[in-house]
Amino acid sequence: AQSVSQHNHHVILSEAASLELGCNYSYGGTVNLFWYVQYPGQHLQLLLKYFSGDPLVKGIKGFEAEFIKSKFSFNLRKPSVQWSDTAEYFCAVKNNAGNMLTFGGGTRLMVKP
Amino acid sequence: DTEVTQTPKHLVMGMTNKKSLKCEQHMGHRAMYWYKQKAKKPPELMFVYSYEKLSINESVPSRFSPECPNSSLLNLHLHALQPEDSALYLCASSQETGLRGSPLHFGNGTRLTVT
Repeated sequence: AQSVSQHNHHVILSEAASLELGCNYSYGGTVNLFWYVQYPGQHLQLLLKYFSGDPLVKGIKGFEAEFIKSKFSFNLRKPSVQWSDTAEYFCAVKNNAGNMLTFGGGTRLMVKP
Repeated sequence: DTEVTQTPKHLVMGMTNKKSLKCEQHMGHRAMYWYKQKAKKPPELMFVYSYEKLSINESVPSRFSPECPNSSLLNLHLHALQPEDSALYLCASSQETGLRGSPLHFGNGTRLTVT
């Protein structure tokens, strides 16, 4: 069975600071990896995904993530955060059969203006 | 705004009540999911439907009963719930299960309180 670990539970940054959120997964098969964001009171939205090809994937709102197979990692990055990026961020892995999406514990990001 | 519509947005029910949560999508997706999310926790998978057939039940108690009447609709029937079942119930859909890279699209959820 797959599992996902997000080591940072809470992150506080000032605007314009750079962001990197860690995500490590455990799964023996071919991985499909996702980052979702949940703004306060809103639904889970897809930020970006990786399933093959270029390990550096770009998503919406200036986010990107790098898949490093040797480290079983899929860290999320943004060069300069904004107050509006305050949200909870979830890394997720889908199994090879494609029918189970497992989430990490989430990272709550607060950006101070 | 999300293309997966869930109703009601909020529900308060007693332990002896019977209620249903509803989910609808018109994206032509053939896979639909129910997740449960407790406060400050990640979503946890409950059920997966693929082409209107139940394909995964993550050992969910029988007081939760899913139903997929057609490819656009997904219901979750609730009966004799416990206070610890209070949570945000999320519906999601995807093009198909097994399709690589196919993301899940989530609804806004139904916030359920069991008294």
